[in-house]
Amino acid sequence: ETGVTQTPRHLVMGMTNKKSLKCEQHLGHNAMYWYKQSAKKPLELMFVYNFKEQTENNSVPSRFSPECPNSSHLFLHLHTLQPEDSALYLCASSQDGTGANYGYTFGSGTRLTVV
Amino acid sequence: AQSVTQPDIHITVSEGASLELRCNYSYGATPYLFWYVQSPGQGLQLLLKYFSGDTLVQGIKGFEAEFKRSQSSFNLRKPSVHWSDAAEYFCAVGARGNDMRFGAGTRLTVKP
Repeated sequence: ETGVTQTPRHLVMGMTNKKSLKCEQHLGHNAMYWYKQSAKKPLELMFVYNFKEQTENNSVPSRFSPECPNSSHLFLHLHTLQPEDSALYLCASSQDGTGANYGYTFGSGTRLTVV
Repeated sequence: AQSVTQPDIHITVSEGASLELRCNYSYGATPYLFWYVQSPGQGLQLLLKYFSGDTLVQGIKGFEAEFKRSQSSFNLRKPSVHWSDAAEYFCAVGARGNDMRFGAGTRLTVKP
């Protein structure tokens, strides 16, 4: 399998639930990213991992907790979410940690609905 | 820091007509410029990118874009639009040592 794979594709969770989003890349890239895409808003960068080390946390609430066990896998752990957290969560990877040099490869996203 | 502006939120064109989507960037040095396309419910797919050299770059699906330094623009064009081109298009700017910044997107509707 190639590219960036995100699971699940759709997730509905209550505000008291705990769930995790998974992202896996088979491109040999060294950097991985979480983005949030809400309706009628620009893409919001959430977290950046470069060689498994978190290099950016873009003022994301603590109810979102990322984990990057290796350069190929990235998780987003969710707990006590709010309805306004409903969005499409996109994972991306890039060859180097800046991302700007080569562009990103995106996954298909997880559509999250918080009820 | 770099930034991107896509002036058009929504554009409608007829199938077979030409298309131009506008993108203006702000950055002090020569930027890396990208166009991505997103179909409904999908992630973003890279259409083309500009790093240096020839200012007219060719991408996938018959798209091209032209870098104009004097106008700080990187507009996306296609000579003849197909119904399958209906999607959201994002311009992005990157800089060495920094992450990319995305525009707010332009939604393209194609009329039959």
